[in-house]
Amino acid sequence: NAGVTQTPKFQVLKTGQSMTLQCAQDMNHNSMYWYRQDPGMGLRLIYYSASEGTTDKGEVPNGYNVSRLNKREFSLRLESAAPSQTSVYFCASRGTGTTDTQYFGPGTRLTVL
Amino acid sequence: GIQVEQSPPDLILQEGANSTLRCNFSDSVNNLQWFHQNPWGQLINLFYIPSGTKQNGRLSATTVATERYSLLYISSSQTTDSGVYFCAGGGTSYGKLTFGQGTILTVHP
Repeated sequence: NAGVTQTPKFQVLKTGQSMTLQCAQDMNHNSMYWYRQDPGMGLRLIYYSASEGTTDKGEVPNGYNVSRLNKREFSLRLESAAPSQTSVYFCASRGTGTTDTQYFGPGTRLTVL
Repeated sequence: GIQVEQSPPDLILQEGANSTLRCNFSDSVNNLQWFHQNPWGQLINLFYIPSGTKQNGRLSATTVATERYSLLYISSSQTTDSGVYFCAGGGTSYGKLTFGQGTILTVHP
């Protein structure tokens, strides 16, 4: 039981390049989330998926797209990376039930030059 | 949306000391969690506590939902408690969370 996994762990891009961050969970959770964390700040929600087949914008969606590929996988795509997207990206998942706890992956550290 | 304010922003302790971290919310929440981000960046769940009190070892948390705040108590702190503590709350379904800015805790031996 790996929980929430993210790939890659580190990535350096040049301005204008594209890339996809991958996230998978093996806890059979319905909801999945993408957050970004900038230095000295808390996490901000980019996009979320309440269930398989649905996605919706969070607080800071501009410059990103997402795909809920199936119940396990939720990917985040940067079509044309900008230096302002330099950040640490976290994926999380949440089941339904009495605790409603979100579980986080280890993060992807992205630098855009 | 919901605003989350944490205090203090920084806290420095000697090993063995106790501490209280506070989290205030601008609106009612029905989903409240405390997290610890360790020095390697991993976010670890501490408590899911939309109301009431819970304890887990040296850590405990209390949320007073009617007054829109939550407290995290750390007793007999250890150097491994160092890191950033976040509270996060949500008032909608789908489990969306709004995070506070965090409290940076440093515990010296």
